[in-house]
Amino acid sequence: DQQVKQNSPSLSVQEGRISILNCDYTNSMFDYFLWYKKYPAEGPTFLISISSIKDKNEDGRFTVFLNKSAKHLSLHIVPSQPGDSAVYFCAASGFGNEKLTFGTGTRLTIIP
Amino acid sequence: NAGVTQTPKFRVLKTGQSMTLLCAQDMNHEYMYWYRQDPGMGLRLIHYSVGEGTTAKGEVPDGYNVSRLKKQNFLLGLESAAPSQTSVYFCASSYHGSYEQYFGPGTRLTVT
Repeated sequence: DQQVKQNSPSLSVQEGRISILNCDYTNSMFDYFLWYKKYPAEGPTFLISISSIKDKNEDGRFTVFLNKSAKHLSLHIVPSQPGDSAVYFCAASGFGNEKLTFGTGTRLTIIP
Repeated sequence: NAGVTQTPKFRVLKTGQSMTLLCAQDMNHEYMYWYRQDPGMGLRLIHYSVGEGTTAKGEVPDGYNVSRLKKQNFLLGLESAAPSQTSVYFCASSYHGSYEQYFGPGTRLTVT
């Protein structure tokens, strides 16, 4: 049972445009969400996170939106740059839970 | 700081052989984790540890054992490797109370 779902395995976006990556979850106990970025042959690196008490968090070109009623979050990258080409994983955790549940990832390709 | 390091980077095993993967972190993190990454499956938690001398099962623990004898090290053992254990293995660590996990570069294991 996949509790965190990333239904788009891949996404291609023109350089300079907005990239929108989506993530859905089923477990209503999740209250903290993270996005990780992964380059080939490297480990994932933390990108941005959001707590369930917020509906938006921004960090430079990256913004994460959380819609609790729909159990949906999205990552917006504006403007998209070639260095953003990577696999992006969504992850979730419940309060006081030391474990993360990851989605299956979305491969983002930025076209120059 | 080296962060999280993993040894070895690559390994090929024959079915039935055993091996140990070593993870080390120099950030004084309390929590450590072992994941496997397979195509289309995302990152799945194998085992984790919330402190020296403690371990717990994750989502896919069968066929693996772990030990945390020192705070900075977390070992993952395969007693009798199977082709289904062909995967990329990632170690991660985090502070107590933090959701953000720091990942190592990964070990690519092939079992023939």
